[in-house]
Amino acid sequence: SQKIEQNSEALNIQEGKTATLTCNYTNYSPAYLQWYRQDPGRGPVFLLLIRENEKEKRKERLKVTFDTTLKQSLFHITASQPADSATYLCALGDDKIIFGKGTRLHILP
Amino acid sequence: DVKVTQSSRYLVKRTGEKVFLECVQDMDHENMFWYRQDPGLGLRLIYFSYDVKMKEKGDIPEGYSVSREKKERFSLILESASTNQTSMYLCASSLIPGQGGGSNQPQHFGDGTRLSIL
Repeated sequence: SQKIEQNSEALNIQEGKTATLTCNYTNYSPAYLQWYRQDPGRGPVFLLLIRENEKEKRKERLKVTFDTTLKQSLFHITASQPADSATYLCALGDDKIIFGKGTRLHILP
Repeated sequence: DVKVTQSSRYLVKRTGEKVFLECVQDMDHENMFWYRQDPGLGLRLIYFSYDVKMKEKGDIPEGYSVSREKKERFSLILESASTNQTSMYLCASSLIPGQGGGSNQPQHFGDGTRLSIL
């Protein structure tokens, strides 16, 4: 069956460093991959979408890569700030979207 | 900006009650979705709708039904609430129509309803 894996352990990063989150998937060949941010008690908020024929996408301090051979996406936040602390979800799908369970990111001041 | 509004942030109901969760979106989106989110299980799709009066089962539809009488409103109904339906419920909408939901457009979420069944 289709499976998405994100680091279940929280990620602690020092302020100013680059945070890198991983999303791996199996038994799937998605045409698109999305990343969302979720704050406690709130709904997820869309950040970036990358297509299978795009290797990399950037938006301000965010960068997403999509490697269809490795079946992996990396999500980078450069010059991280405490306000970036949240849970980050990857989502992929062709016909129906499937969400990963998310990785909690803590940016330490 | 797209606004997805869920009628209640917190709700407490008793087992056996019929529970209605309401969701309204203001951007004329064709697709609407209901998810539940539980610790360790992530977001799970309950039902979605790609048009008025149309609905499709998601991954965990048992014990739930939905109603979409108007394009902007999508209701989730717990026919006879049980304690295992205690959860955070999230509604979302997206722009592109498609029977599968379509993933090439972002989903816009409401802030959720935290439902407790006692």
